[in-house]
Amino acid sequence: QKEVEQNSGPLSVPEGAIASLNCTYSDRVSQSFFWYRQYSGKSPELIMSIYSNGDKEDGRFTAQLNKASQYVSLLIRDSQPSDSATYLCAVSSNTGGFKTIFGAGTRLFVKA
Amino acid sequence: SQTIHQWPATLVQPVGSPLSLECTVEGTSNPNLYWYRQAAGRGLQLLFYSVGIGQISSEVPQNLSASRPQDRQFILSSKKLLLSDSGFYLCAWSIHYGNTEAFFGQGTRLTVV
Repeated sequence: QKEVEQNSGPLSVPEGAIASLNCTYSDRVSQSFFWYRQYSGKSPELIMSIYSNGDKEDGRFTAQLNKASQYVSLLIRDSQPSDSATYLCAVSSNTGGFKTIFGAGTRLFVKA
Repeated sequence: SQTIHQWPATLVQPVGSPLSLECTVEGTSNPNLYWYRQAAGRGLQLLFYSVGIGQISSEVPQNLSASRPQDRQFILSSKKLLLSDSGFYLCAWSIHYGNTEAFFGQGTRLTVV
């Protein structure tokens, strides 16, 4: 059973702080990694994708991947109240088809 | 640009009634298509995915079925709904080759009463 694990939270950070979201996955042959943001009652929207070890930065967001540790994280700098949402980690591999498996998500609350 | 349409947005159905949810994608050819379900406060559970017309892979045994009658059309069905079928149903697409990101429709909130 391929799994993607996230701390459910809620993670509460003050406005302007760095929010750190973590995710581990069980399938060692996973090749692609994604972070989605989901506001309550809405569908997930893609924030970041990362395919190789190291860091990838996009604006206030940085994704970090460590395949040896089967670990992927998302850092949100200068957190804003509008960042309050559930963040879903997703992992994809081509074993048994191109399937993307999602974690249960971490709820983030940014306090103004 | 690519867009994905999913309808209806909300649906209330009695136990034992049939279900049909439809999803269409525009602006791309031969996409991979997916149906996910999200229970309240839970993560996304992959129900079905399709890599081509008539090709459906089922991830979870249940009373739901999926069909792909056309390249960019994906349908989720049930002959008789159960209370446990309530949830937020999401259709998604990705490009056919490679492990790329999936893009979601607006979702259908189904309540079985």
